[in-house]
Amino acid sequence: DGGITQSPKYLFRKEGQNVTLSCEQNLNHDAMYWYRQDPGQGLRLIYYSQIVNDFQKGDIAEGYSVSREKKESFPLTVTSAQKNPTAFYLCASSSRPADTQYFGPGTRLTVL
Amino acid sequence: DAKTTQPTSMDCAEGRAANLPCNHSTISGNEYVYWYRQIHSQGPQYIIHGLKNNETNEMASLIITEDRKSSTLILPHATLRDTAVYYCIVRGTQGGSEKLVFGKGTKLTVNP
Repeated sequence: DGGITQSPKYLFRKEGQNVTLSCEQNLNHDAMYWYRQDPGQGLRLIYYSQIVNDFQKGDIAEGYSVSREKKESFPLTVTSAQKNPTAFYLCASSSRPADTQYFGPGTRLTVL
Repeated sequence: DAKTTQPTSMDCAEGRAANLPCNHSTISGNEYVYWYRQIHSQGPQYIIHGLKNNETNEMASLIITEDRKSSTLILPHATLRDTAVYYCIVRGTQGGSEKLVFGKGTKLTVNP
């Protein structure tokens, strides 16, 4: 089955620790995205990548970092500099940057 | 990206058609209307999108008014599994349209 996978589904970390969220797609999509969703709120773009080895900051990139070394993978690291990291994190991909975005199942991060 | 206005909540009886309205009076000529839905604690699911003409796929139909200032998503035979928050999004296809701007959406409850 083609699709987007995110792991793990639930993640708990202690305050001050960096944590990396995984996002993999086998759709052969060029573009990938990371969004954050807080309770009762819409999605906010963290980072996006239009092609391998290239990525751009979204609206709320502070405290986050990404890499795009492979077409199918776009991991997100939540650093200790992110002041409110507890949230639902969603990865998406699209064939090209302006095309329809398809989402993964999400990772719920809780920082204790 | 243009803003959209949707009712906060709607109810529908199982087996009946669910008609979800969306106003996007400031839509530009090259902007598409997208619909996604999100079931609690899952990633958003793409439903359908359109530019000017009405569209239909296996999930739903999208009716766009001639002036493109509003649209209606139709789920022809709603089931309990269609209970979700439905988002209407207006999005361009040019540079700067990388992100999807999710508003509050419409909480659709399908009742037995």
